Amino acid sequence: ETGVTQSPTHLIKTRGQQVTLRCSSQSGHNTVSWYQQALGQGPQFIFQYYREEENGRGNFPPRFSGLQFPNYSSELNVNALELDDSALYLCASSRRTGGMTTDTQYFGPGTRLTVL
Amino acid sequence: QKEVEQNSGPLSVPEGAIASLNCTYSDRGSQSFFWYRQYSGKSPELIMSIYSNGDKEDGRFTAQLNKASQYVSLLIRDSQPSDSATYLCAVNPGGGSNYKLTFGKGTLLTVNP
Repeated sequence: ETGVTQSPTHLIKTRGQQVTLRCSSQSGHNTVSWYQQALGQGPQFIFQYYREEENGRGNFPPRFSGLQFPNYSSELNVNALELDDSALYLCASSRRTGGMTTDTQYFGPGTRLTVL
Repeated sequence: QKEVEQNSGPLSVPEGAIASLNCTYSDRGSQSFFWYRQYSGKSPELIMSIYSNGDKEDGRFTAQLNKASQYVSLLIRDSQPSDSATYLCAVNPGGGSNYKLTFGKGTLLTVNP
């Protein structure tokens, strides 16, 4: 167990709908990264939040957005859902101090999103 | 396109044997390297991290890094059926992209009793 929690565990939505996924980071960690893992693929980086700001972004459209709260928890929002958004969404928690490289990332259990 | 390549497998080994998993990466400036284990339907679990050339051992696991060849490997000694999982190689590119991990597609390992 990493201490990273995610909710919900599973979610079924229809095309065009919006979804919010939540993540609580491990104690002592201040950075949250989000990844999308399609079936049979490795996780793909969506974005990272540090000090409540987006710190870096992968190749995902603007309909993927996020937030980080003062307690370091985070949300991932996806608007206008498409069938290809069906995947396992992973939150990873890490500790970053000043300008140093992000430390090792520890994953939560994930949220399985199905878009019909 | 900065990539991480792994043999998709499946790699099948008998119980007690050594399993060898390999990974190559394209970004020569990469600084940090990680191996994650992922059981079917579960999230990735960190096994090893390695930052310097050479070997790093932790129990039955040994990670090997060769930055000149842009190659990282994971050896699992005395393989057990419980080691059967997908093994993901992850690379932190460093520099201006030091915030993210780039993953390979993973290698499926099956350990046969």
